[in-house]
Amino acid sequence: GAGVSQSPSNKVTEKGKDVELRCDPISGHTALYWYRQSLGQGLEFLIYFQGNSAPDKSGLPSDRFSAERTGGSVSTLTIQRTQQEDSAVYLCASSLESGVKGNEQFFGPGTRLTVL
Amino acid sequence: GDSVTQMEGPVTLSEEAFLTINCTYTATGYPSLFWYVQYPGEGLQLLLKATKADDKGSNKGFEATYRKETTSFHLEKGSVQVSDSAVYFCALAVYNQGGKLIFGQGTELSVKP
Repeated sequence: GAGVSQSPSNKVTEKGKDVELRCDPISGHTALYWYRQSLGQGLEFLIYFQGNSAPDKSGLPSDRFSAERTGGSVSTLTIQRTQQEDSAVYLCASSLESGVKGNEQFFGPGTRLTVL
Repeated sequence: GDSVTQMEGPVTLSEEAFLTINCTYTATGYPSLFWYVQYPGEGLQLLLKATKADDKGSNKGFEATYRKETTSFHLEKGSVQVSDSAVYFCALAVYNQGGKLIFGQGTELSVKP
């Protein structure tokens, strides 16, 4: 079956603009996670959803970042007023259910965001 | 808070050499432990996992044993191949926070023929 997909694969934007990143999880996976991978910070957790709820938003770096999930499926990560330090690869992962010991997270290919 | 520390790279080995990548963790609970691999130009994929103390995860000739007494999960392979060249990430899952993964900084492995 299809894996996790993300779009766009690459996004170049100007500082101050808003961007939306999309994630399509594996069908039937109720948990969805966002991470970002940057040279300076490595791989860091941003937010997760169980169904449409986001119980843990602790990793969002600032109030310019927000995310939503609708219909228990597609998720959108929005970054408002982008800054150069937002440049990174944004990764999405899904798993059958959150908080279950040993559940594997399946990762998408990522969206490479470059803020000029 | 919970954290993962892994040996810094890059690591350069000749084909058929023995590989060890050290990983230690700090956790308040009883996490599951994972090794993920990122091949050049590809996404993150699970290499192996262990969910309780003394469990050994294995895949593609790689092994790692969950050592609670030393809070370690070192990755080993007896004979590396050029195709093993990749970045390897050790991670733990925090189950009281939805299973979110906390990653080590990654270790780049380069295997020369």
